[in-house]
Amino acid sequence: DGGITQSPKYLFRKEGQNVTLSCEQNLNHDAMYWYRQDPGQGLRLIYYSQIVNDFQKGDIAEGYSVSREKKESFPLTVTSAQKNPTAFYLCASSTGDRHYGYTFGSGTRLTVV
Amino acid sequence: DQQVKQNSPSLSVQEGRISILNCDYTNSMFDYFLWYKKYPAEGPTFLISISSIKDKNEDGRFTVFLNKSAKHLSLHIVPSQPGDSAVYFCAAHQHNFNKFYFGSGTKLNVKP
Repeated sequence: DGGITQSPKYLFRKEGQNVTLSCEQNLNHDAMYWYRQDPGQGLRLIYYSQIVNDFQKGDIAEGYSVSREKKESFPLTVTSAQKNPTAFYLCASSTGDRHYGYTFGSGTRLTVV
Repeated sequence: DQQVKQNSPSLSVQEGRISILNCDYTNSMFDYFLWYKKYPAEGPTFLISISSIKDKNEDGRFTVFLNKSAKHLSLHIVPSQPGDSAVYFCAAHQHNFNKFYFGSGTKLNVKP
């Protein structure tokens, strides 16, 4: 079955450590996205990539980094520079056709202690 | 500056009654709108969509209405069921940009 997989579902890290969240899709989608959701807030765009080896900052890119070396993969690194990293992170992909919207992964809950 | 707004963070409805979730937007270049449903600790799933050239789209118990002059869309759920309890996000697509802008979500609680 085609889909988008985020791993792990829950992640705990100590303050000051970098951590990488995995996102893999087998939908053959060109575009991929990372969003962050905080309690009581909507989805805020961190980074997005329209094509392999290219990506753009979203609305809240500070303290995050990404890579897009393969079409299927779009990992997100939460660096120690991110001041408030504890959140629910969602990865999404799309064909680029607006009629189909985005396909989302099931998310990763990151807790920094 | 949020271009898509859902001003009601929560809504409580009795089972069997109508649920109306609202969404406002500011950008007249938005040409396509979607509603997503999200359960806790899960990713959002697509629910229903509408093109800016239409004013209504219906799918079973779900109907989305679009009022372009008011820059307002709404999602109607009739009849509401306890399984509809979730957070609902509206999203808007800007012409020539391959990304959607999301509202902050409305948490719907359908009481049995």
